[in-house]
Amino acid sequence: DTGVSQDPRHKITKRGQNVTFRCDPISEHNRLYWYRQTLGQGPEFLTYFQNEAQLEKSRLLSDRFSAERPKGSFSTLEIQRTEQGDSAMYLCASSPPWTGGKDTQYFGPGTRLTVL
Amino acid sequence: GENVEQHPSTLSVQEGDSAVIKCTYSDSASNYFPWYKQELGKGPQLIIDIRSNVGEKKDQRIAVTLNKTAKHFSLHITETQPEDSAVYFCAASPYDYKLSFGAGTTVTVRA
Repeated sequence: DTGVSQDPRHKITKRGQNVTFRCDPISEHNRLYWYRQTLGQGPEFLTYFQNEAQLEKSRLLSDRFSAERPKGSFSTLEIQRTEQGDSAMYLCASSPPWTGGKDTQYFGPGTRLTVL
Repeated sequence: GENVEQHPSTLSVQEGDSAVIKCTYSDSASNYFPWYKQELGKGPQLIIDIRSNVGEKKDQRIAVTLNKTAKHFSLHITETQPEDSAVYFCAASPYDYKLSFGAGTTVTVRA
């Protein structure tokens, strides 16, 4: 049983560059989430996909951020013109189709972004 | 939106003792309350969860209690072991997709 995988695990970039992260959810999980976690804090919700549809975006997700899930399987999160404040751990989670009783979100290991 | 507060921020216990972490939430519509454990360099891992129609749930050494009237819920770890050392997060959700997390509790179990 493979869990949620994320790539890369670490990314160091210079301010102003664009970066893209990939998330592969657990197979047959149709719901996918992105969170951001800064040092010493809990994860903060960024966005949510059900299949290929992006159903909600947090106000934390500025215009420089875009997420896609084109075929309802893997997802990408792109940050354009990175800023030092974007340095954080970006976590992806997935959950199975909602059946009214189980909302468990399974998290991947995260991508640690450092913007110099 | 939902606001979750978590206390204490750090907790040091002797091996074999119990650890208790408390959380409060603001949105009375929240109905799902998971607890996650996060080890260094890893993503959060679910350890137990509870829904608002249940007051208490137990899984071996871990238990969670929920007081919906007071809008608070707690995690209890009994007979702590060194491998319980980690950061623990509570979360609350009024919907089936959007978790709001507390700031975390760093638990250290002293051998």
